[in-house]
Amino acid sequence: EIVLTQSPDFQSVTPKEKVTITCRASQSIDRSLHWYQQKPDQSPKLLIKYASQSFSGVPSRFSGSGSGTDFTLTINGLEPEDAATYYCHQSSTLPHSSFGQGTKLEIK
Amino acid sequence: QVQLVESGGGLVKPGGSLRLSCAASGLTFSDYYMTWIRQAPGKGLDWVSYISNSGRTIYYADSVKGRFTISRDNAKNSLYLQMNSLRVEDSAIYYCARVFSNFFDYWGQGTLVTVSS
Repeated sequence: EIVLTQSPDFQSVTPKEKVTITCRASQSIDRSLHWYQQKPDQSPKLLIKYASQSFSGVPSRFSGSGSGTDFTLTINGLEPEDAATYYCHQSSTLPHSSFGQGTKLEIK
Repeated sequence: QVQLVESGGGLVKPGGSLRLSCAASGLTFSDYYMTWIRQAPGKGLDWVSYISNSGRTIYYADSVKGRFTISRDNAKNSLYLQMNSLRVEDSAIYYCARVFSNFFDYWGQGTLVTVSS
């Protein structure tokens, strides 16, 4: 089983700040890594697919990078509505995929 | 636009059963693989089960294998999850999601399952 470890678990940030969330896989997953945003009391929404490809309609301040075992989600110019928990997801072993534990972003 | 609407959640005693449904609209349902993912209260996301567009290929997480059954009715644009021998640890919000390529591009709003005596 591939384990995804996100860091940090929690981050308190101010608007307009640049935020970086990392996701490390326990073994190489090439670029089969996707990012989701889950706002309170909502279902998750796809942000980034295949490590760096933005999903339709996602604001350009969200970007992703990485390959192999180390991946990054970056939010350039944080907005108040970005308060959410962010999850990475690997599909290298689809259908048996796995998620990171989540990173909760609080806006100060 | 793609809409997925889950239903069928509720309170059930340990050892009981529930059948969840997911009604799909805004897509050609029979073209897509579908999946169930759950989220225990205050916890992260946990993949549960996966079914091919035809329904012939099915996979389960080890934690639910032998207790849960995924199925679909393409004529009714619906996905199902039959959950038997429920345990307290199965308590969660259950989401259905569309599988596109290798990621989950649309999710329903979820239905809450509570297993408690």
